[in-house]
Amino acid sequence: DAGVTQSPTHLIKTRGQQVTLRCSPKSGHDTVSWYQQALGQGPQFIFQYYEEEERQRGNFPDRFSGHQFPNYSSELNVNALLLGDSALYLCASSYRGPSGNTIYFGEGSWLTVV
Amino acid sequence: AQTVTQSQPEMSVQEAETVTLSCTYDTSENNYYLFWYKQPPSRQMILVIRQEAYKQQNATENRFSVNFQKAAKSFSLKISDSQLGDTAMYFCAFMKRGSSNTGKLIFGQGTTLQVKP
Repeated sequence: DAGVTQSPTHLIKTRGQQVTLRCSPKSGHDTVSWYQQALGQGPQFIFQYYEEEERQRGNFPDRFSGHQFPNYSSELNVNALLLGDSALYLCASSYRGPSGNTIYFGEGSWLTVV
Repeated sequence: AQTVTQSQPEMSVQEAETVTLSCTYDTSENNYYLFWYKQPPSRQMILVIRQEAYKQQNATENRFSVNFQKAAKSFSLKISDSQLGDTAMYFCAFMKRGSSNTGKLIFGQGTTLQVKP
């Protein structure tokens, strides 16, 4: 049973560019959440996708957008990259049922903006 | 809004000894979950232990146990018989109960734990 998988593992982008990060949730999970983790900080919630719609959103600008596909996989898009967007981006998957209180994380995508 | 505070940025412990990491949180909710996650240098976020707020009994997972004080909004993690592999950053996290909240965690700032041989 594959866990949460993310791609790419590392990438370097230039200020002003756009980036797309991808996530496949754990088998049986239907909800994907994205987090941004700056170096030395705790992860910050970006948004959550369920049934192909954004359900909850953290305090992030509209430059951050996402998508969820019918197979529950998800993408995170960041436009007009800033140096401050450099961080580890974590994908978390969970099941939205009554017992869905365990959240599994992927290994993350390291984004460096230069 | 909920907040999670970890007041110990760094801690160290000798191998085989016991260490306790502190966490306090603030919420007006009555039904929620609390978690401790471990993040080793590989950056993979690994669930250590989970506590459901409506359960008075403290959760235990092998060498890891918690001291959950709901009234005081305190949730500390005790690691017994510390091992070198426990060296990592530890995060305390809060999640409101309810299917719509599944996956939305509020994290503390983290505590870096070093286990010394």
